[in-house]
Amino acid sequence: RKEVEQDPGPFNVPEGATVAFNCTYSNSASQSFFWYRQDCRKEPKLLMSVYSSGNEDGRFTAQLNRASQYISLLIRDSKLSDSATYLCVVMGIRWETSGSRLTFGEGTQLTVNP
Amino acid sequence: EPEVTQTPSHQVTQMGQEVILRCVPISNHLYFYWYRQILGQKVEFLVSFYNNEISEKSEIFDDQFSVERPDGSNFTLKIRSTKLEDSAMYFCASRSNRGRNTGELFFGEGSRLTVL
Repeated sequence: RKEVEQDPGPFNVPEGATVAFNCTYSNSASQSFFWYRQDCRKEPKLLMSVYSSGNEDGRFTAQLNRASQYISLLIRDSKLSDSATYLCVVMGIRWETSGSRLTFGEGTQLTVNP
Repeated sequence: EPEVTQTPSHQVTQMGQEVILRCVPISNHLYFYWYRQILGQKVEFLVSFYNNEISEKSEIFDDQFSVERPDGSNFTLKIRSTKLEDSAMYFCASRSNRGRNTGELFFGEGSRLTVL
């Protein structure tokens, strides 16, 4: 089983649509969760952290279900500029070595069309 | 705004040659990483570095790879004898241990390595 698994995509949606991305992770000891965004041939950038209580940042809402090991991202009123690959990222911490690997999912590509 | 800088942006090398990719992490960060991304594939963890030593490495990071922080500012990735399959974008990243978003990795723009 993959450590982090995402919807394969790609998603093609019209402007203004609501789109949801799903992600599952295999390691129940994972500590922290994030959504990153990667534009074509660019570096990944943090979109938002994901907290157990759920969190919202403008048009973006992230949810975490630790029992199901499931993470989601909802984008409302999508814009052309939201076109990118969305990466689900999970962090595990190895306290004995201070290791803190972030593991990336394969990404889900979103294209928002005019 | 502080940023992670990487050089070179693109390097072309012959198979079997040694390559050194350089990174300057954000100055007050404590955790440093190398990731790679083969074209069209996912971002893969290579190695993390903390307190002047490797804290974790992946199965990709074999004896051909090494990292160093020689002078307190640079963080380098060396590939001793490049193979065709090492062709990828190599991202350096750094992370603070302060603040709520302590998991936020700040990535450099990447160094594209092409092995011929």
